[in-house]
Amino acid sequence: AQKVTQAQTEISVVEKEDVTLDCVYETRDTTYYLFWYKQPPSGELVFLIRRNSFDEQNEISGRYSWNFQKSTSSFNFTITASQVVDSAVYFCALSEALYTGNQFYFGTGTSLTVIP
Amino acid sequence: KAGVTQTPRYLIKTRGQQVTLSCSPISGHRSVSWYQQTPGQGLQFLFEYFSETQRNKGNFPGRFSGRQFSNSRSEMNVSTLELGDSALYLCASSLAGQGTEAFFGQGTRLTVV
Repeated sequence: AQKVTQAQTEISVVEKEDVTLDCVYETRDTTYYLFWYKQPPSGELVFLIRRNSFDEQNEISGRYSWNFQKSTSSFNFTITASQVVDSAVYFCALSEALYTGNQFYFGTGTSLTVIP
Repeated sequence: KAGVTQTPRYLIKTRGQQVTLSCSPISGHRSVSWYQQTPGQGLQFLFEYFSETQRNKGNFPGRFSGRQFSNSRSEMNVSTLELGDSALYLCASSLAGQGTEAFFGQGTRLTVV
């Protein structure tokens, strides 16, 4: 079973629009960590945010904000006033404390295109 | 601070050959993980090394192996290459513990012909 689901495969928005990328996860662990990464065309995954399962506070960083809801097992990512530079593939990931080590389960990614 | 460095960036190999990819983590990071990214399967975990020991392994055949050196640099090896091994191989470094953020290199694009 997929541990991380990103149902939106591709999204296109016009510059300055707000966009929300959805992420739903599945785990039986009570301690876990959630991440968002951005993958521009150059290929490397750029770290955006980390959340642990005990911290449900929403977070805002500039134009980016994240909404973590344990009740719905969701960790959604909103970009406000999108810009062309936001065009990339975005991945949500889960790491479980059940396992030793730092193994990530990634979603299939959402490809965001911001049209000027 | 230098980021994660992967070499080479691009490789073309023939089916049946073997290949070695290299990863230099961020200074001070002791955990190195490897991921395979393909259009069909997405990002899949290969293995993680910590202090020269394999700490975790994904669901890949034994043709995929790795190692980590005392300076935390890591290599992964794929023997008897198959066409399906064509992928972007990404290395990630993190400080140590569970759930710490991982920083990725630009990857090695392997094409098997």
